[in-house]
Amino acid sequence: KAGVTQTPRYLIKTRGQQVTLSCSPISGHRSVSWYQQTPGQGLQFLFEYFSETQRNKGNFPGRFSGRQFSNSRSEMNVSTLELGDSALYLCASSLGTGINTIYFGEGSWLTVV
Amino acid sequence: AQSVTQPDIHITVSEGASLELRCNYSYGATPYLFWYVQSPGQGLQLLLKYFSGDTLVQGIKGFEAEFKRSQSSFNLRKPSVHWSDAAEYFCAAGGSNAGNMLTFGGGTRLMVKP
Repeated sequence: KAGVTQTPRYLIKTRGQQVTLSCSPISGHRSVSWYQQTPGQGLQFLFEYFSETQRNKGNFPGRFSGRQFSNSRSEMNVSTLELGDSALYLCASSLGTGINTIYFGEGSWLTVV
Repeated sequence: AQSVTQPDIHITVSEGASLELRCNYSYGATPYLFWYVQSPGQGLQLLLKYFSGDTLVQGIKGFEAEFKRSQSSFNLRKPSVHWSDAAEYFCAAGGSNAGNMLTFGGGTRLMVKP
């Protein structure tokens, strides 16, 4: 079956703009989480959604937000982009209940200029 | 606070040699543990996972890892490395109450000499 799908794969934005990234989880998975990967900070947890509710949140400013739809697809939004937001944004999905295997997508590369 | 440490930032091995990548964790309860691999420009591919039970787990591509509670370690091993194994490897830990919230180590970049 199809894996975790993220769109767009690559994008360039200007400082001050906003961006929306999309994630389609593996079929049947109800939990979607987002991670930011940068050379300096490594992989950092942003937030997790389960059944359209935010279940966990990492230590990021309020400019980073997300949501999940009834079909488990998720979007994350970053407003007022800063140069430091340039990163690979990874989406992960799992069944969501109990202890589950967590699968990652290929990521969305965001460059802020 | 939870933490995962991968002490080796870079490792170089010769093709055909054995490999061990180290991972140490600090967690309140017994975590569940993962190893992922990332090729340049790609996402994370799951190699193997430990939830409970047998402390030696087998994964894909000939990798295995051993959970040692007394040492708070979950080291990744492969008996014979192939050139295609060159990539970055990440160890991650999560908790039963943490959903998909994983804590990652800093990664180990593996280079393979011909």
